Amino acid sequence: QKEVEQNSGPLSVPEGAIASLNCTYSDRVSQSFFWYRQYSGKSPELIMSIYSNGDKEDGRFTAQLNKASQYVSLLIRDSQPSDSATYLCAVSGYSSASKIIFGSGTRLSIRP
Amino acid sequence: GAGVSQSPSNKVTEKGKDVELRCDPISGHTALYWYRQRLGQGLEFLIYFQGNSAPDKSGLPSDRFSAERTGESVSTLTIQRTQQEDSAVYLCASSYGYGEHNEQFFGPGTRLTVL
Repeated sequence: QKEVEQNSGPLSVPEGAIASLNCTYSDRVSQSFFWYRQYSGKSPELIMSIYSNGDKEDGRFTAQLNKASQYVSLLIRDSQPSDSATYLCAVSGYSSASKIIFGSGTRLSIRP
Repeated sequence: GAGVSQSPSNKVTEKGKDVELRCDPISGHTALYWYRQRLGQGLEFLIYFQGNSAPDKSGLPSDRFSAERTGESVSTLTIQRTQQEDSAVYLCASSYGYGEHNEQFFGPGTRLTVL
């Protein structure tokens, strides 16, 4: 079992709809959770971080965390063509020895 | 600048040559990571430095790959006797390394092409 799992996609969503991206992780003591966006030919950029169970909203983005189910998701409301990218889920423990682990990413395509 | 910087941005080399890639992390970040990303593929973890601890080298693909870091500053990734399969973008990222706010920030990458 991979430490951080994501569906590779591609996930195709019509413009204006909600895109839902999911991620599961295996280490129960994970404490910090991140979503990165990577456009083709560019470096990953951090778009959301979440540390507590529940929802965290930032503009059109909502991150959802359920530690009991070891599940984290990213919702993108009012999807735009500019949201088309690969979305990477990343998970980290709390101690200084805990390196960040990335999932393999989900490719999202917003169709006009 | 305030971000992670990497040099060179592009490197073309001949098979069998050695290359050295450089990463300047964000000031104050104790953790530094190197990743490899082949075209159309995900991030491949190579090595992780955290403060003065021994680095986590578990991702280095062969003994041709090595990396060093001076204190909590610059890191260099060296690839000896390069092979065509080493062609990829090499990404560096840094973070505070522990605690709740452990976000990684990435540099622009070095695109390595081995002919």
